[in-house]
Amino acid sequence: AQSVTQLDSQVPVFEEAPVELRCNYSSSVSVYLFWYVQYPNQGLQLLLKYLSGSTLVKGINGFEAEFNKSQTSFHLRKPSVHISDTAEYFCAVSAIRGSQGNLIFGKGTKLSVKP
Amino acid sequence: EPEVTQTPSHQVTQMGQEVILRCVPISNHLYFYWYRQILGQKVEFLVSFYNNEISEKSEIFDDQFSVERPDGSNFTLKIRSTKLEDSAMYFCASGQTANYGYTFGSGTRLTVV
Repeated sequence: AQSVTQLDSQVPVFEEAPVELRCNYSSSVSVYLFWYVQYPNQGLQLLLKYLSGSTLVKGINGFEAEFNKSQTSFHLRKPSVHISDTAEYFCAVSAIRGSQGNLIFGKGTKLSVKP
Repeated sequence: EPEVTQTPSHQVTQMGQEVILRCVPISNHLYFYWYRQILGQKVEFLVSFYNNEISEKSEIFDDQFSVERPDGSNFTLKIRSTKLEDSAMYFCASGQTANYGYTFGSGTRLTVV
């Protein structure tokens, strides 16, 4: 079984500041890792994913994340945030084998960007 | 960009009634999913569907739930006898492959009164 922990439920930050949203996971099998974003009253949009290869992955809207296998982490970063990045961010994993791709989500982190 | 379309966006129903939530996945996708998000809680997997049958389901997906792909384009979630605790946002998703991330719809907010 897999589980995902997002350590911060809310992260307030000023515009143009850097931000890191933390994600740790637990799994007895190898997993793929994902970050999704949910803007107010909208669905979930895929930001980025780690499947294999380079541990630093780049996504849309200037976000990137680094997979750290030894620390079982997949933290999301952006060097300079905009007001429009205000949203809820979800980290998720899915088992590479023995799964039809069902995602296990963390509880989400609400990013609030202030002017 | 192709979208997953869900209707209605909001549905209110009385406890004990049956509801059908509708989804139109992206046309060349093969894998279909339903998730739900109770207000303030995690997004939870309900069921996956591939090759016209359920491929995986969670403990939440009990006998009151069913899914169907009636005509090759729509993908529906039926809740037979709704309970208050079924109130949630229900998301449909589809993907070309199972594991590489997929596209979610905007959700149907179901309110059971």
